[in-house]
Amino acid sequence: GDSVTQMEGPVTLSEEAFLTINCTYTATGYPSLFWYVQYPGEGLQLLLKATKADDKGSNKGFEATYRKETTSFHLEKGSVQVSDSAVYFCALFTPAAGNKLTFGGGTRVLVKP
Amino acid sequence: DAMVIQNPRYQVTQFGKPVTLSCSQTLNHNVMYWYQQKSSQAPKLLFHYYDKDFNNEADTPDNFQSRRPNTSFCFLDIRSPGLGDAAMYLCATTPGWGQETQYFGPGTRLLVL
Repeated sequence: GDSVTQMEGPVTLSEEAFLTINCTYTATGYPSLFWYVQYPGEGLQLLLKATKADDKGSNKGFEATYRKETTSFHLEKGSVQVSDSAVYFCALFTPAAGNKLTFGGGTRVLVKP
Repeated sequence: DAMVIQNPRYQVTQFGKPVTLSCSQTLNHNVMYWYQQKSSQAPKLLFHYYDKDFNNEADTPDNFQSRRPNTSFCFLDIRSPGLGDAAMYLCATTPGWGQETQYFGPGTRLLVL
């Protein structure tokens, strides 16, 4: 079945550091890929998405590129802020999986001033 | 512009006392989902509605029920909450079947005493 694997956290960074969160997936067919962010005590917010190979999703300084050859969708940000402290979830969607999102385990990111 | 609204944000109930969580949406989306999320783990899908068609996940306990009286509202009923049901409950919507982007509400945190 479909699955998503993320690097385990927590990831602790200083402000203005470079952030990378690795995400790889296994899926039948051609999934759409997502990054969701969850701030403390809040629900999930869509951060960015990509629907086909080589697409790059971007939002709020974050980027991720859909790499079909390596089945990856790594999240990057060049200069993090304290406000980026959150849990980040990689997810995929394939209609073949019954129109459900398959989530990775989440990566907690803590940015220190 | 609130789009997916969950009330209350925090709910305290007693062991075995029925509790209802509510979700409403102003997006006029056909599909509504309920997730359970424990301790920043990945959200776990409990069930979803496509319009009025109810779809239960195979491993969702019978203790969890749902109602969708109209397009805008969806309720999660926990008939006899146990300590293990303490979690964040997330509601999400999509415009229709095959629409992969899910829009999440802020969640309701349930505490069982």
